[in-house]
Amino acid sequence: EVQLVESGGGLIQPGGSLRLSCAASGVSVSSNYMSWVRQAPGKGLEWVSVIYTDDSTYYADSVKGRFTISRDNSKNTLYLQMNSLRAKDTALYYCARGVHVGVTAPSYWGQGTLVTVSS
Amino acid sequence: DIVMTQTPLSLSVTPGQPASISCKSSQSLLHNNGNTYLYWYLQKSGQPPQLLIYEVSNRFSGVPDRFSGSGSGTDFTLKIGRVEAEDVGIYYCVQSLQLPLTFGGGTKVEIK
Repeated sequence: EVQLVESGGGLIQPGGSLRLSCAASGVSVSSNYMSWVRQAPGKGLEWVSVIYTDDSTYYADSVKGRFTISRDNSKNTLYLQMNSLRAKDTALYYCARGVHVGVTAPSYWGQGTLVTVSS
Repeated sequence: DIVMTQTPLSLSVTPGQPASISCKSSQSLLHNNGNTYLYWYLQKSGQPPQLLIYEVSNRFSGVPDRFSGSGSGTDFTLKIGRVEAEDVGIYYCVQSLQLPLTFGGGTKVEIK
C-alpha cells in the first residue's frame, strides 16, 4: 500500500523559511516522479515542483528561486525547502507520486501539511 | 502555460441520473508518442484529490466503472453513468503534457 505522509508545516512569518518532508512507504521516491502540489484555503490546486528519476527538478514560476525540491533515497523521503515565504504561499501542501515514470500528473497523494505565512 | 477550462462550474444531480463535465485545453494534449496527457481527479471534502481517469479514458485502480472519460486533442469529457451520493465533491481536469502541470478550475458536484 502506497503511503505518503507530509510534515513540517506551521505558522511562519513573511520572509521566513520552512522545510517540508514527505515520508514514503510502499513506493520508492527515487524510482518515481515526485511532486509537491498546493491548495490555498478554499481555492483550487496549484502544482509547485517535481523531481524526476534522473534528479532533474522543475518549479512553478511563482516559487522559482525560493523553493528547492530534493529527496533522500536512504530515508525514502521527499523534501521541499521553502525560503523567502510570502503570504501567498499560505496553503495545504501535498506530496504526490506520478502516475508512472514519464508522467508528472499524480496518482497517489498524501494528506497534506498546512503552511501559514502571517505576521 | 496550457490553460484548462472546465464547465460547468457546478452541477446538481439527482441520484441515479447521469452527469457530464467538460474540459477544454488551450492547446492539444496529444504527445508525439501517441499518448494524450489528460487526467481527471475528484476531491472530496477534507481529503486530497484522488485520481479517477488517466490519459483520457483509463480508469485508475479501484475506480467504479460508472466513471468514464473521453475526448481528444483539446476537448475532453468526464461522465458519471449514474451518480451516487459518494460522488459529491470537486472534479478537476489536469494536463501533464508539459510543465507547469495545470489544473482546471474545478466543477462542484452536489446531490439534489
